[in-house]
Amino acid sequence: DQQVKQNSPSLSVQEGRISILNCDYTNSMFDYFLWYKKYPAEGPTFLISISSIKDKNEDGRFTVFLNKSAKHLSLHIVPSQPGDSAVYFCAASVWGANFGNEKLTFGTGTRLTIIP
Amino acid sequence: EAQVTQNPRYLITVTGKKLTVTCSQNMNHEYMSWYRQDPGLGLRQIYYSMNVEVTDKGDVPEGYKVSRKEKRNFPLILESPSPNQTSLYFCASSYRVGEKLFFGSGTQLSVL
Repeated sequence: DQQVKQNSPSLSVQEGRISILNCDYTNSMFDYFLWYKKYPAEGPTFLISISSIKDKNEDGRFTVFLNKSAKHLSLHIVPSQPGDSAVYFCAASVWGANFGNEKLTFGTGTRLTIIP
Repeated sequence: EAQVTQNPRYLITVTGKKLTVTCSQNMNHEYMSWYRQDPGLGLRQIYYSMNVEVTDKGDVPEGYKVSRKEKRNFPLILESPSPNQTSLYFCASSYRVGEKLFFGSGTQLSVL
């Protein structure tokens, strides 16, 4: 049962345009969401996160949007640069005040290619 | 520098020959975990550890063992590797479970 889904295995975007990566989840208990970026021959690195009390979080060219009613998460990169070409993973977890946190659950990843 | 170090980066072995992939973190993190990455399947958790001497199975634990004798180290052991364990492996750690994970650089394992 894939609780976190990235339905687009790949995406190509022209340099300078907006890249939009999507992520859907099924577990309504998820309340903390992260995006990771992975270059070939390197481990994933943290990019940006958002908690369920917010619907948007920005960090420079990267913005994450959360739509809790649709159980949908998206990452916007504006403007896209060649160095953004990588695999992007979304991840989600439950932060439980009473019973403790649950582990991160990852999506299958989307390979983003920025075309110069 | 805060980091997760895993070794080796590349490993080629034969079926049945026991191997260990080491993982060490210098951030005093309680939580450590092993993942494997396969095409189309994303990152799948093998084993995790909530703290010293506390380990548990992840989503794909068959054929793997781990130990957590010290807080900083979390080795992955393949007692009798098989070709279906050919994969890219990542060790990761975080202060607590469910929080931002820090990943190692990966170990590309080929079992012939």
